[in-house]
Amino acid sequence: GENVEQHPSTLSVQEGDSAVIKCTYSDSASNYFPWYKQELGKRPQLIIDIRSNVGEKKDQRIAVTLNKTAKHFSLHITETQPEDSAVYFCAASIGNYKLTFGKGTLLTVNP
Amino acid sequence: DADVTQTPRNRITKTGKRIMLECSQTKGHDRMYWYRQDPGLGLRLIYYSFDVKDINKGEISDGYSVSRQAQAKFSLSLESAIPNQTALYFCATSDSGNYGYTFGSGTRLTVV
Repeated sequence: GENVEQHPSTLSVQEGDSAVIKCTYSDSASNYFPWYKQELGKRPQLIIDIRSNVGEKKDQRIAVTLNKTAKHFSLHITETQPEDSAVYFCAASIGNYKLTFGKGTLLTVNP
Repeated sequence: DADVTQTPRNRITKTGKRIMLECSQTKGHDRMYWYRQDPGLGLRLIYYSFDVKDINKGEISDGYSVSRQAQAKFSLSLESAIPNQTALYFCATSDSGNYGYTFGSGTRLTVV
């Protein structure tokens, strides 16, 4: 089955800096790659996703890039703010089949 | 608002007891999932169901069972709870035409 590796497990940045979280996946048939944000004590929520026919997608301060050849994808957050502090999960699936999640990255944005 | 509701929100139970976690949704989604979250281990799939007559094991189904009572309801049971089943449990839903998951608020289960 699919295996998703996520790095780093923790990331601390200063407010205003950029943050990058990287994931790799094992199944070359995977073609859907979402990112979820989980604030403390809350449910994971979808923040951005990308499909394999696209190399990059942006939404304001958040962007995701995908390299299908290397089987890795990354989340980029620019101009980080304290409210970006959360656990971020990457995931992968074949179409709208079940998602396999990475183990998460705890992002701390220091004021 | 259409949502995914989990009950109970918190539960403490004793080793060996049977416990059921319930999930209901008003989103009209056909697919439902149960995940378990442990610190440092991410979200791991326990069971999933793509419609009322379809039940599938995930990567960590041992010790768990499920029931899909209706399109909107998907329950997770621990037949004989053990301490290493202490975790945060999430139900999620998705639609066959839309790839993103909607998660419930979670059930924090402690087995003592």
